[in-house]
Amino acid sequence: QKEVEQNSGPLSVPEGAIASLNCTYSDRGSQSFFWYRQYSGKSPELIMFIYSNGDKEDGRFTAQLNKASQYVSLLIRDSQPSDSATYLCAVLRWNRDDKIIFGKGTRLHILP
Amino acid sequence: DTGVSQDPRHKITKRGQNVTFRCDPISEHNRLYWYRQTLGQGPEFLTYFQNEAQLEKSRLLSDRFSAERPKGSFSTLEIQRTEQGDSAMYLCASSPSGTGGSSYGYTFGSGTRLTVV
Repeated sequence: QKEVEQNSGPLSVPEGAIASLNCTYSDRGSQSFFWYRQYSGKSPELIMFIYSNGDKEDGRFTAQLNKASQYVSLLIRDSQPSDSATYLCAVLRWNRDDKIIFGKGTRLHILP
Repeated sequence: DTGVSQDPRHKITKRGQNVTFRCDPISEHNRLYWYRQTLGQGPEFLTYFQNEAQLEKSRLLSDRFSAERPKGSFSTLEIQRTEQGDSAMYLCASSPSGTGGSSYGYTFGSGTRLTVV
């Protein structure tokens, strides 16, 4: 079982709709959770982090964490063509090995 | 200092040659990480430093790979006798140290894209 699992997509969403990206993780010791956005040929860019159960909102982005289900999600409201990218889910197990483990990423395509 | 810098941005080399990449982290960040990313995959951890100490090295890192951070500032990643399978994006990231120092995520550099022909 991979430590961080994501559906590779592509996920196609009409412009203006809500894009929903999901991620599961295997290590219950994971304590911080991240979403990175990566445009083709570019490096990952941190867009959200969360460490408490529940929702965290930042502009059009909402991260959701459910530690009991070992599930993290990212919602993008009012999707724009510029949101088309690969979204990487990542987890950190600090006080263990303190490094971030990434999933393979989900390709998101916003349809104009 | 506006971020993590990596040099070069692109490197094309012939199989069997040695290559070296450089990373300059954010100046106040004590931790420095190297990752490798191939097409369609997420970044894979290679190694990391706290100041000048190399704290962990992935089993992915063969003996042909070596990383240094001699004065706790910039770091170099060297690949000896390159193989076609080494072709990838090599990413450097940095973060503050201390318990939970990475809790807010890493800042990545622009990466070095290596092509071995």
